[in-house]
Amino acid sequence: GIQVEQSPPDLILQEGANSTLRCNFSDSVNNLQWFHQNPWGQLINLFYIPSGTKQNGRLSATTVATERYSLLYISSSQTTDSGVYFCAVEQAGGTSYGKLTFGQGTILTVHP
Amino acid sequence: KAGVTQTPRYLIKTRGQQVTLSCSPISGHRSVSWYQQTPGQGLQFLFEYFSETQRNKGNFPGRFSGRQFSNSRSEMNVSTLELGDSALYLCASSFAEDTEAFFGQGTRLTVV
Repeated sequence: GIQVEQSPPDLILQEGANSTLRCNFSDSVNNLQWFHQNPWGQLINLFYIPSGTKQNGRLSATTVATERYSLLYISSSQTTDSGVYFCAVEQAGGTSYGKLTFGQGTILTVHP
Repeated sequence: KAGVTQTPRYLIKTRGQQVTLSCSPISGHRSVSWYQQTPGQGLQFLFEYFSETQRNKGNFPGRFSGRQFSNSRSEMNVSTLELGDSALYLCASSFAEDTEAFFGQGTRLTVV
């Protein structure tokens, strides 16, 4: 099956700093999503971005499907940005119905 | 509109017992997927249902089963619980394949 690798595994920042999280995947995808997992475990949707670039406030994401990677940018980080960020993909083809394959996540800690 | 609702939020069971978890998708969504999250294995896909049919299944033993009802609500059942089944179980719904998935708050199962 498809492999998803996220980097870095851990990231520590001072408030106000910018950061880039990366997601590499090993095959073509129909769906790519970025999530932030809150302390209670819920996955909060950040971006649905199988290709192209999107922005939402201080966050933006870019997926280059032909090169099989996606980037999540966080600018002017805040302590509330702390948590785990996941990239998840649905492999292209006819057998991956509803199956998201997740990376191992990036643990982001933002210090005041 | 209401999001994905999972019940119960927390559950404590004894080894050997069985458990049933419930997931109500976003209104209009017909695909429901289930995931298990553990510290050691990360987020792993259990199965996906669409219009009451299981279309995809992950690599879990037969003790894990599910079903979907005509109103798209889904249940998953784990029989003969083992300590290793302790995990956060997450449900996601989407309108169709290759569309954005939305997750519920999860059910945290502890097996003692």
